[in-house]
Amino acid sequence: GQNIDQPTEMTATEGAIVQINCTYQTSGFNGLFWYQQHAGEAPTFLSYNVLDGLEEKGRFSSFLSRSKGYSYLLLKELQMKDSASYLCAVRDNDYKLSFGAGTTVTVRA
Amino acid sequence: GAGVSQSPSNKVTEKGKDVELRCDPISGHTALYWYRQSLGQGLEFLIYFQGNSAPDKSGLPSDRFSAERTGGSVSTLTIQRTQQEDSAVYLCASSLGDRDYGYTFGSGTRLTVV
Repeated sequence: GQNIDQPTEMTATEGAIVQINCTYQTSGFNGLFWYQQHAGEAPTFLSYNVLDGLEEKGRFSSFLSRSKGYSYLLLKELQMKDSASYLCAVRDNDYKLSFGAGTTVTVRA
Repeated sequence: GAGVSQSPSNKVTEKGKDVELRCDPISGHTALYWYRQSLGQGLEFLIYFQGNSAPDKSGLPSDRFSAERTGGSVSTLTIQRTQQEDSAVYLCASSLGDRDYGYTFGSGTRLTVV
């Protein structure tokens, strides 16, 4: 089976930085994804890592270490609209995408 | 279509009734996934279709759940003899192929079993 762990909740102040960690144990690996989901809405794609290292996309960056089964999503210059659930997902050897339970980030003024 | 379309957006049904949920993927997308999301929970994988290959049904929670995909496009998820624990948001996603990273989700069907 797949095991994907991430913290349940995080709170940060507007303008600050927050790092959301994700650890995984899956049957093979073919990419790690981060999605953002606002309450009552569908998840939207944020980032994709398949090789080790850091991928930067504006205020959001995602890091992957395949040997450690570890990824993080870094959100910089937090804005109120960043308050959402952030989902870590791993694609396995059968190209099936499995999700963690999500991390709810609350941004305070 | 421009996005993944799911219908109905909301469904309230009585315990024991059957329901059908529909997903219309983005035109040309060969991979289609169904997930279930209970309140405050992550996405639970249900079933995955890729082209003409046999679907991966390993996530279906019981034999009351089934899904089909006709003509490689529209998919229907059927839940027979619904139970209260089936209440959740059912999300559909599609992508160009299973090796693609552009998974697009529909807005989901909120199912409430009373």
